[in-house]
Amino acid sequence: DGGITQSPKYLFRKEGQNVTLSCEQNLNHDAMYWYRQDPGQGLRLIYYSQIVNDFQKGDIAEGYSVSREKKESFPLTVTSAQKNPTAFYLCASSIRGVGEKLFFGSGTQLSVL
Amino acid sequence: SQQGEEDPQALSIQEGENATMNCSYKTSINNLQWYRQNSGRGLVHLILIRSNEREKHSGRLRVTLDTSKKSSSLLITASRAADTASYFCATVPIQGAQKLVFGQGTRLTINP
Repeated sequence: DGGITQSPKYLFRKEGQNVTLSCEQNLNHDAMYWYRQDPGQGLRLIYYSQIVNDFQKGDIAEGYSVSREKKESFPLTVTSAQKNPTAFYLCASSIRGVGEKLFFGSGTQLSVL
Repeated sequence: SQQGEEDPQALSIQEGENATMNCSYKTSINNLQWYRQNSGRGLVHLILIRSNEREKHSGRLRVTLDTSKKSSSLLITASRAADTASYFCATVPIQGAQKLVFGQGTRLTINP
C-alpha cells in the first residue's frame, strides 16, 4: 500500500528532552511537510521540504528542527527550546510542491510528562 | 496568520439532511481546497477548486467558489453518520509565500 507512515502514534516528552517524530512516504512525492494542530484549531505549518537536502521554515519553526537526507523520509525533532510542545503533529506530502493537494499521515500525539 | 475562516464552527444535523459549510479568505488565491478530518486522524483531501473555476462536484460533495466575495462553500447532500468529522478549507495565496494555509475548521455532527 502506498502512503505516509508516521510513528509513534503517541509520544511523551520529559522536560529538557529532545524527541524525534518519524515520517516516511512511499508515494515518490518530492515535497513533504510538518504541521502542528492544537485542540479545536486548524493546522499551522512548521517546516516543509520540496527537494532532498533542502527545507524551509514555516510559520512556527522555532523550537523544531528537520532533515531531508532521503526523498522518503522527513523526521521532525522537537527540541527542548519548544516550551509548549503538546499538540497533534501531522506529516504530509505532495507530488511536487506547494499548492497541490496534500496526502497526510495519521498523526503523532505528543504530550509532556 | 489564518487565511481561511470557516463558518459555522460547529454544525449538527439529522441524517439525510444537507450540510453546508462556508469558508472566507482575505487575499487573492491560486486555489482553494477542502479536507476532512476524523477525530484523532490525519486529513483527507476532498476537492481542489482553482481560482478560475466557480463550481465543482465529487459524488455527494459540491464546492462553489466566489472570488469576488472571497468565499467558498462546501455542500454535502444526503448526509450520513459517516460524514461526521471536521472539515477544513485551505488556500494558496497568490502573493507572498506559496504555502497552503488552513482555516480552523467546521465540526460536523450527523445525528442518526
